[in-house]
Amino acid sequence: QKEVEQDPGPLSVPEGAIVSLNCTYSNSAFQYFMWYRQYSRKGPELLMYTYSSGNKEDGRFTAQVDKSSKYISLFIRDSQPSDSATYLCAMSVVGGSNYKLTFGKGTLLTVNP
Amino acid sequence: DSGVTQTPKHLITATGQRVTLRCSPRSGDLSVYWYQQSLDQGLQFLIQYYNGEERAKGNILERFSAQQFPDLHSELNLSSLELGDSALYFCASSVGPGGPTGELFFGEGSRLTVL
Repeated sequence: QKEVEQDPGPLSVPEGAIVSLNCTYSNSAFQYFMWYRQYSRKGPELLMYTYSSGNKEDGRFTAQVDKSSKYISLFIRDSQPSDSATYLCAMSVVGGSNYKLTFGKGTLLTVNP
Repeated sequence: DSGVTQTPKHLITATGQRVTLRCSPRSGDLSVYWYQQSLDQGLQFLIQYYNGEERAKGNILERFSAQQFPDLHSELNLSSLELGDSALYFCASSVGPGGPTGELFFGEGSRLTVL
């Protein structure tokens, strides 16, 4: 079983739709949870991060973490064509001074005008 | 623009060959990370350098090596290339040695094709 599982999609929605992107994980030591957005032919860029369980909102984006279920979500409200990208979840185990991110494979999202 | 510069953007080479990928981090960033992205494996952490020293190691093959120079740019050397090494190689940088927020700044990647 992979440490982080993410449905690769593709996911296609009409403009204005609410989008739900999800990841599950198996390593209970993960404490930091991030969402990166990757446009075509570009590198990933950090969208949001949360620590432990709970919700975090930033404009049209809401990140949720449920550590009891080992499940994280990213919701996009009023989706726009400019949101079309691959969304990668990432998680971090913090130990000592070293860390590395474990990424999901990404979900390709297309928002149609 | 993340401020991280990677060269070359595209590289086509043959099996058995050796290539060098170069990365210049954002101004002021001391950490450099290398990642490999492929369709079947996703984004895989290879190695991290902080201020010239190796800081963390991931799934980096013995045929691969990296270093960070005094001016903080980094190079990833890939040798005895195999077809399976074809992938996007990303460099990322961060200010410190690696904190919990995960705020890495990625370059646009070097696409390696091994024929």
